[in-house]
Amino acid sequence: ILNVEQSPQSLHVQEGDSTNFTCSFPSSNFYALHWYRWETAKSPEALFVMTLNGDEKKKGRISATLNTKEGYSYLYIKGSQPEDSATYLCAFMQDSNYQLIWGAGTKLIIKP
Amino acid sequence: DAEITQSPRHKITETGRQVTLACHQTWNHNNMFWYRQDLGHGLRLIHYSYGVQDTNKGEVSDGYSVSRSNTEDLPLTLESAASSQTSVYFCASSESPGQPQHFGDGTRLSIL
Repeated sequence: ILNVEQSPQSLHVQEGDSTNFTCSFPSSNFYALHWYRWETAKSPEALFVMTLNGDEKKKGRISATLNTKEGYSYLYIKGSQPEDSATYLCAFMQDSNYQLIWGAGTKLIIKP
Repeated sequence: DAEITQSPRHKITETGRQVTLACHQTWNHNNMFWYRQDLGHGLRLIHYSYGVQDTNKGEVSDGYSVSRSNTEDLPLTLESAASSQTSVYFCASSESPGQPQHFGDGTRLSIL
């Protein structure tokens, strides 16, 4: 059974601080790694789709890195703001059937 | 603007009844997906479709069926609703496996 692990499960960060969290996934049959942001009472919104080992993506204050050989991705948020409070989901896509296998998410709470 | 809509947003029904959840997208995407989201779990794939007349079982397909008669719609049917199927259901679509998935707002289904 393929497993995608995200850590930590939840995180409280002071406004203005930077933070990061981890997504671990199987290192074989890799096709893509997705990151999504999920605000309460809304639906998940895509942040990044990463496909190449060593890939780095950036959107504003949020960036992500990818290591497919060891099976992990980091998501970084620089200078956290209250609007960054959300659950961040990663999902691994294997090349055999192109299904996404989702982690349970990291819930980020920004304290003003 | 293109969008993906789910209906109803909320539904309460009784065990044993047949229930159909609608999903309609105007992105003209070939790929459509149904997920359920439960406390303590990541999103779990129920069924997916890569085009008209194509349907496939996901991780938790027992008790559910889908049909794809056109590009825009992928209705999800619970043949005989069970209390274990109480959940929040999300529909999503994507242009291709390497592209991000666009999510509907979800349907909260309660089975009493």
